Amino acid sequence: QVQLQESGPGLVKPSETLSLTCAVSGYSISSGYYWGWIRQPPGKGLEWIGSIYHSGSTYYNPSLKSRVTISVDTSKNQFSLKLSSVTAADTAVYYCARGDGFHIWGQGTMVTVSS
Amino acid sequence: DIQMTQSPSSLSASVGDRVTITCRASQGISNYLAWYQQKPRKVPKLLIYAASTLQSGVPSRFSGSGSGTDFTLTISSLQPEDVATYYCQKYNSAPLTFGGGTKVEIK
Repeated sequence: QVQLQESGPGLVKPSETLSLTCAVSGYSISSGYYWGWIRQPPGKGLEWIGSIYHSGSTYYNPSLKSRVTISVDTSKNQFSLKLSSVTAADTAVYYCARGDGFHIWGQGTMVTVSS
Repeated sequence: DIQMTQSPSSLSASVGDRVTITCRASQGISNYLAWYQQKPRKVPKLLIYAASTLQSGVPSRFSGSGSGTDFTLTISSLQPEDVATYYCQKYNSAPLTFGGGTKVEIK
């Protein structure tokens, strides 16, 4: 079955760039669907960060757009998130997911922004 | 941008009760509305998409309705395993906004 797995550093320093990867198994990214990133600060709700279509078109949350880049690597069947100039407010569990109604999610990875 | 407003933010009900959660969009979104269940410390799970289509494997006590700006998620008979926070989400166009969530507890 289709599985998504996030990976990346669990601790990032303020002002640096957060980089995460979502490895997809059981389905070829290039075959279709939107692929997205969602985050959830501790004790708070869900926030959509952005999505990429299998063709490479990207869509970002306006509140994060200036700091976000999402890219896809079809050769590795994975997609990635970069969030620049992070602050403590970016501390959250980061999820990757498939779809626009997100029907398949990764397990999530906690990223803490702290010096 | 379209805002998604859920109500109530929390509720407490007895086992067997009928529970209704409302989600309102600030502009029409047709039926591009999904509902998610997130149990404590777990990954969100898609319950309903296209406003009223039950995701495979989801118990039939969950149902969704609505179109345009007003949507509801109904649990026909609340069960202890339904304790969770429920989120709506629009996906007609970017940004794909989530509602603020409704925390459901057992009385």
